Amino acid sequence: KAGVTQTPRYLIKTRGQQVTLSCSPISGHRSVSWYQQTPGQGLQFLFEYFSETQRNKGNFPGRFSGRQFSNSRSEMNVSTLELGDSALYLCASSLASGSYTGELFFGEGSRLTVL
Amino acid sequence: AQKVTQAQTEISVVEKEDVTLDCVYETRDTTYYLFWYKQPPSGELVFLIRRNSFDEQNEISGRYSWNFQKSTSSFNFTITASQVVDSAVYFCALSEVHTGNQFYFGTGTSLTVIP
Repeated sequence: KAGVTQTPRYLIKTRGQQVTLSCSPISGHRSVSWYQQTPGQGLQFLFEYFSETQRNKGNFPGRFSGRQFSNSRSEMNVSTLELGDSALYLCASSLASGSYTGELFFGEGSRLTVL
Repeated sequence: AQKVTQAQTEISVVEKEDVTLDCVYETRDTTYYLFWYKQPPSGELVFLIRRNSFDEQNEISGRYSWNFQKSTSSFNFTITASQVVDSAVYFCALSEVHTGNQFYFGTGTSLTVIP
């Protein structure tokens, strides 16, 4: 079956702009999580959505936001981009959330460069 | 405080050698899950194994094996008879039952297998 699909794969923005990244989870998966990967900070949890509701949020400023649609597809948005937002943004899907913790299935990521 | 520590930043081995990747974790929860992921250059994190805190049985899967020891809070990963295709960055991760799909990742170990 199709894996997790993230678009766009690569993008370049300038400081102050905003960006929207999209993630389509594996069919039947209802949980979508987002992670930021940078050389300095490694992999850091941004937020998780399950059934269109944000379940959990990492320690990121309010410029980072997300949402999930009824078909489980998710988007994340970063406003007022800063140089430090340059990173690989990874989306992961899972069957469920909460007390059940199955493995996360990751997409190939969206590589954002902020100039 | 770092919840998952991978002390080895980079490892190089010659093909067919065995290699062990170390992972030490920290949690106050009695129920938690441990994972290993592989990240090839394409960027996608590939799931390798999931272990819950109540299952200390070691596991072997082909050339991969895992050693989980709660007494030392370690979850080490061994590749036997390494191959060039094993070259990647390997991440150990922890999930606590009350935070669902919020994974805490280690900083990763970059493995290079030299032919």
